[in-house]
Amino acid sequence: EAGVAQSPRYKIIEKRQSVAFWCNPISGHATLYWYQQILGQGPKLLIQFQNNGVVDDSQLPKDRFSAERLKGVDSTLKIQPAKLEDSAVYLCASSSLLTSGGASGELFFGEGSRLTVL
Amino acid sequence: KQEVTQIPAALSVPEGENLVLNCSFTDSAIYNLQWFRQDPGKGLTSLLLIQSSQREQTSGRLNASLDKSSGRSTLYIAASQPGDSATYLCAVRPTKGGYQKVTFGIGTKLQVIP
Repeated sequence: EAGVAQSPRYKIIEKRQSVAFWCNPISGHATLYWYQQILGQGPKLLIQFQNNGVVDDSQLPKDRFSAERLKGVDSTLKIQPAKLEDSAVYLCASSSLLTSGGASGELFFGEGSRLTVL
Repeated sequence: KQEVTQIPAALSVPEGENLVLNCSFTDSAIYNLQWFRQDPGKGLTSLLLIQSSQREQTSGRLNASLDKSSGRSTLYIAASQPGDSATYLCAVRPTKGGYQKVTFGIGTKLQVIP
């Protein structure tokens, strides 16, 4: 079974530029998550989708970050304009729908996209 | 609000030693607890998942236990190897809340010295 796919793996940009990250979850997983992980910290949830609807974006800086999940499958996270403090690893994860009978709620992560803002 | 704490923040042990990593959480109403491994600059790899009704899970040299009443989980690594060097994170998913938001600890950085 294919895992969570993310691209690009690395990106270096100047501040005020824009960047986009792509994620393809495990097939059949209804729930998709974007996390931001700053060096030395635990992952912080930016946005959670259930199918193609947003269920939690309370920690997404909406003035510069946006995310979409078209057709309830893959997703794109965009940052525009980037700031120095956005330097982090952006992690995508997926899980099966928790309301499904017997769903384990196990999280599966991709390799992450490391962003450096200069 | 759920808080997850991992102690110690860093650990250095000689190869071959058995070791225990700790994870504590403040709200015992959990759906599951998951242990992950993270190598530098990479994503999180799931090691073990413990459902709220379970007491422990084992995979190879790894054993994770869960005590909901005391708000604790431990990850036991037997006969440590240099390849075990990584950061280990625990994450707790609650039963309550509309979408069961997962809370992560900041991890324990393990170094196994050959």
